[in-house]
Amino acid sequence: AQKITQTQPGMFVQEKEAVTLDCTYDTSDPSYGLFWYKQPSSGEMIFLIYQGSYDQQNATEGRYSLNFQKARKSANLVISASQLGDSAMYFCAMRALYQGAQKLVFGQGTRLTINP
Amino acid sequence: DVKVTQSSRYLVKRTGEKVFLECVQDMDHENMFWYRQDPGLGLRLIYFSYDVKMKEKGDIPEGYSVSREKKERFSLILESASTNQTSMYLCASSPSGELFFGEGSRLTVL
Repeated sequence: AQKITQTQPGMFVQEKEAVTLDCTYDTSDPSYGLFWYKQPSSGEMIFLIYQGSYDQQNATEGRYSLNFQKARKSANLVISASQLGDSAMYFCAMRALYQGAQKLVFGQGTRLTINP
Repeated sequence: DVKVTQSSRYLVKRTGEKVFLECVQDMDHENMFWYRQDPGLGLRLIYFSYDVKMKEKGDIPEGYSVSREKKERFSLILESASTNQTSMYLCASSPSGELFFGEGSRLTVL
């Protein structure tokens, strides 16, 4: 069965520092995709970044990058130059095949707090 | 822009009541999902649907049912609400892969 693990329930970081949010996954599928979502206090889920299992390069989107280490089954999110607005819950997710359809399996989430 | 609309942001219901949570998407997506979100547990899949009138159980379907009579609408039904169903409910739609979420419905069962 597919599983996502986020081992950091909470993180506190000083503004302008870089931050790494950990995510490990477990799957036997040869083809899969990994996602990161941000959930601010308002509740909406915001898609941040995607990495395909066959992508040769690590994905980047502005200040977000995904440190994809396939052999270690990790897909950590790196936020450079953190801002106060980055304070939110962050979820790692993996696309999985389930009974012929695709679904996303989510981790437990990490609450990131950026201090001024 | 993709828009996923959930009918109610906040609901308060009593134990034993029947509860309907409605979700509508405007992008002709095949796939629709219902998740519940609880602190420390992340998002857990309740049910999903990959076509009209098709439904599949997710990881925690007990106590819930769903209906998808039209492609754009996916309803979550709590036949007899219980206090352990107090949670945030998130609807999402997807062409494939990335999910587009609604704003969530926070349900409190007293």
